[in-house]
Amino acid sequence: EDQVTQSPEALRLQEGESSSLNCSYTVSGLRGLFWYRQDPGKGPEFLFTLYSAGEEKEKERLKATLTKKESFLHITAPKPEDSATYLCAATTGGFKTIFGAGTRLFVKA
Amino acid sequence: GAVVSQHPSRVICKSGTSVKIECRSLDFQATTMFWYRQFPKQSLMLMATSNEGSKATYEQGVEKDKFLINHASLTLSTLTVTSAHPEDSSFYICSAAKYGGSYNEQFFGPGTRLTVL
Repeated sequence: EDQVTQSPEALRLQEGESSSLNCSYTVSGLRGLFWYRQDPGKGPEFLFTLYSAGEEKEKERLKATLTKKESFLHITAPKPEDSATYLCAATTGGFKTIFGAGTRLFVKA
Repeated sequence: GAVVSQHPSRVICKSGTSVKIECRSLDFQATTMFWYRQFPKQSLMLMATSNEGSKATYEQGVEKDKFLINHASLTLSTLTVTSAHPEDSSFYICSAAKYGGSYNEQFFGPGTRLTVL
């Protein structure tokens, strides 16, 4: 069964304290692994797409990496405005997109 | 850009009434649009996939007669919740895949909060 699991459920960091969010996936024929940011009461905002193991992408304080079983979203020196829920999603060979439950990130000043 | 809008952003209705939610791609044509619902502190659950000019494909467990989807053009899809009940209260989010772009990349609308009294 296709599955996407994110950990931890919630993460509390001090401003400047770098960390990583994990997304483990089991899907048939991965077509793409996506990271989104979602603020409360809003739709997800696209961050990254990764297509193959070994691929990395960066945007400001965020860096996404991909292996054959998982993806990491690294946050370097986070700021309070990085507080949000980060969603991981995988599109299967059958073009179905499955979302993880998300990691709620809280960054304290 | 790739901007998707939804209207309304919030709606409160009485049990038994129908509610229509619009999803528009503002600056691109969308081959495919997706409808999701999201419960508090939970992830997005795909309800249906719609392609312009054809019938929507519903996920298992989603009642097609209750959640009517119309994808009338390459920039507009509507979701109608018919005979709404309190258990239909949720956050409904649409997304769109660009025509000519990657099917995989979806751009999300801001969501519609539905509350059924």
